[in-house]
Amino acid sequence: DAGVTQSPTHLIKTRGQQVTLRCSPKSGHDTVSWYQQALGQGPQFIFQYYEEEERQRGNFPDRFSGHQFPNYSSELNVNALLLGDSALYLCASSEGRGYTFGSGTRLTVV
Amino acid sequence: ELKVEQNPLFLSMQEGKNYTIYCNYSTTSDRLYWYRQDPGKSLESLFVLLSNGAVKQEGRLMASLDTKARLSTLHITAAVHDLSATYFCAVAFSDYKLSFGAGTTVTVRA
Repeated sequence: DAGVTQSPTHLIKTRGQQVTLRCSPKSGHDTVSWYQQALGQGPQFIFQYYEEEERQRGNFPDRFSGHQFPNYSSELNVNALLLGDSALYLCASSEGRGYTFGSGTRLTVV
Repeated sequence: ELKVEQNPLFLSMQEGKNYTIYCNYSTTSDRLYWYRQDPGKSLESLFVLLSNGAVKQEGRLMASLDTKARLSTLHITAAVHDLSATYFCAVAFSDYKLSFGAGTTVTVRA
């Protein structure tokens, strides 16, 4: 049984560019959350998707947007990249109270 | 304001000795999670604590939750090198997101 799959694993982008990160949830999980983890810090909640709708959003600007597809997979889009967006982006899927995290996408903005 | 505070932030352990990591949080919650993260890797779920007085043990790790005191502890018994990692507690203040502590970086020395 596959867990949470994220792609790509690593990405280098230039300031001002746009990026799309992808997440396939664990089988049977219908809810996807995205977290940003800057170096040396704990993960910060970006938003959660359920039934293709954004259910809750953390303290992130509108440059961060997302989408959930009918098969529960999800995308995180970041526009107008800043150097400060460099981080590990983690996707977590859940069904009920358990969360399973993917291996993350390491985004470097230069 | 929703806060999750871990201490200590850095812990140098001697092999064979016992140690405790503390996780305090600011507002009522009955769900607390402990994760382990190795450098450059994703979050590995250790424990899910779902009620006051919950205690869970796995190998040399034991976690407990006191919802009245808003405190969880992660106790490490007879530390071994394999336990070197960063440990995070995360609190569910709502059904939709986890709020993480800053993490405790553990180094086990001979």
